[in-house]
Order: sequence, then C-alpha cells, then structure tokens
Amino acid sequence: AQRVTQPEKLLSVFKGAPVELKCNYSYSGSPELFWYVQYSRQRLQLLLRHISRESIKGFTADLNKGETSFHLKKPFAQEEDSAMYYCALQAGTALIFGKGTTLSVSS
Amino acid sequence: SAVISQKPSRDICQRGTSLTIQCQVDSQVTMMFWYRQQPGQSLTLIATANQGSEATYESGFVIDKFPISRPNLTFSTLTVSNMSPEDSSIYLCSIKGRSYNEQFFGPGTRLTVL
Repeated sequence: AQRVTQPEKLLSVFKGAPVELKCNYSYSGSPELFWYVQYSRQRLQLLLRHISRESIKGFTADLNKGETSFHLKKPFAQEEDSAMYYCALQAGTALIFGKGTTLSVSS
Repeated sequence: SAVISQKPSRDICQRGTSLTIQCQVDSQVTMMFWYRQQPGQSLTLIATANQGSEATYESGFVIDKFPISRPNLTFSTLTVSNMSPEDSSIYLCSIKGRSYNEQFFGPGTRLTVL
C-alpha cells in the first residue's frame, strides 16, 4: 500500500538547535518525494523535492531507499521556521500526504 | 509560477445544502486537482479534473457527492452536495508544476457545515 508516515505530530526545539522531521514511505515503485510547508495564515507551499537535491532555507532532505525514509533536516533552527511540515509521495498523478508535523521553534 | 485563487475563502452552510467552490488559475494548465483536509487530518485527493473529460475520482469519493466541472484550461469548480457536518473541511485545488511532478496549491476554502 502507498503510504506516508510522519511519526511526530509536534516537534519543539530551541532556536539554534538542529532539527530533523521524520518521514517514512511505503511505495512499490521508484519514489518521488516532496516536503511542503504551511506557515501560519499562508497557503501550502513546496519546500523542496528530492529529485533536485537542493537546499531551501537551510533545509535538506535525502532519500534513503534502504530505510524508505526522506527526513527533513536543518542544522540550526530559526524562529521563522515554525510551521506545519508535510511529507508527500507522488503516486501516479496523486500526491499522498503524511499527517504533518508542527515545528515550533522558541527562543 | 502560476497564481491560483479560490472562491469563497470560507463559508458556513446549513446541512442539506450544496456549495460550489471555484478555482481560477492565471495560466492554462492541463490537470487540476481537488483535495480535502478534514480537521486535524492530512490532505486527501478527491479527484483529478482534466479539461474536456470527466473527472477521475479517488476511492471513497463519488461524482454525485462531489461533482466537478472543468470548462476550460484555467478554471474548475467543485460542488459539495447535500452537505452534512462531516463535510466540514478545507477544500484545496492544485495544479501540477511544469518542470517536475510537484503540485502548487490554492489558498483553500474553509467550509463549516452546521
């Protein structure tokens, strides 16, 4: 079955601390994965895509096919990173979303 | 990137009534998608809307409950029919990016059914 799991509903860290938002997937084909972010009162927006191997706003995510994971990482969290983060898997034309993790960064 | 707008942004409706949500894109797109986000839940794809053909519905969603129109390449509507409180959700439309398979989302319509 195609599935995306984000085990943490809430992650609270202090400013400057490292952040890792976990994402595990289940997919029989070659996965295409994304991270989306939703800041307060803003629309859902794409943060990064695994195929680009990019770093956006200091965030990176590496696809680990052996562990079927696509964890989102940032070495030093900032208060403006506080938001809801969704991991998503491309399955055919549909995007399958995880339940999301709220990241709260406090000073 | 394309600008996606939705109307209304929010509404409060009585059970048994229907609401039509509009999605407008400022450029022509082949595929548009409709998602639902129930309170405390993730986004779930309702259907894929292609211009000139019937929408393709995901398991658990039917045309009688969620009729979709796609009259041209920049516009689509989703109707939530015969509403009940369980239909209270955020409804979002999205389009596919030009270069990759990512999708870009509208601002959403927050629906509350009393």
